[in-house]
Amino acid sequence: AAGVIQSPRHLIKEKRETATLKCYPIPRHDTVYWYQQGPGQDPQFLISFYEKMQSDKGSIPDRFSAQQFSDYHSELNMSSLELGDSALYFCASSLADLNTEAFFGQGTRLTVV
Amino acid sequence: KQEVTQIPAALSVPEGENLVLNCSFTDSAIYNLQWFRQDPGKGLTSLLLIQSSQREQTSGRLNASLDKSSGRSTLYIAASQPGDSATYLCAVPTQGGSEKLVFGKGTKLTVNP
Repeated sequence: AAGVIQSPRHLIKEKRETATLKCYPIPRHDTVYWYQQGPGQDPQFLISFYEKMQSDKGSIPDRFSAQQFSDYHSELNMSSLELGDSALYFCASSLADLNTEAFFGQGTRLTVV
Repeated sequence: KQEVTQIPAALSVPEGENLVLNCSFTDSAIYNLQWFRQDPGKGLTSLLLIQSSQREQTSGRLNASLDKSSGRSTLYIAASQPGDSATYLCAVPTQGGSEKLVFGKGTKLTVNP
């Protein structure tokens, strides 16, 4: 079965550069979530989209933005990168139903040097 | 604000032992609870989703229980194997909005051969 696909899997950027992370949800899933997991931390919610509209926002810095496109894939854009942005970034998708399972991608490991 | 706690933070057992991982949450008004497995530096693999109306959910050697009223869930792993070594996280969706997940900090399990 198709899973959530994230690209790239690994990314190394310098401080103050820009990064774009991509997420392709499971087909027919209408909701996409982005999470950030710092070293030794639990995943923290950043932002979500339902049917291409932003549905919720968490602790996402103003330097970050995201959108969901007509084909339901989503991109997380991160500008003016800081060392503290180094983390695993996960995308998850689900159906917008209160009792459905969230499926996570393998994540993108971003290292800012 | 929903908070999720997992005890213990780390657990080391010999192969073949049965074990229990604990998860507690502060707001009992949840729709479901999800258990995940995470290998080091890897993605989150969904193990079990237990609905608020259920008391138990089983998958192979895994059994998850849920007691909403007391705000607790347990993940029981039977006949543990070295391949079970990983971090196990529980997560609950927040009320309203996008149903983003709030995670516990996980239990790091090591099964020794």
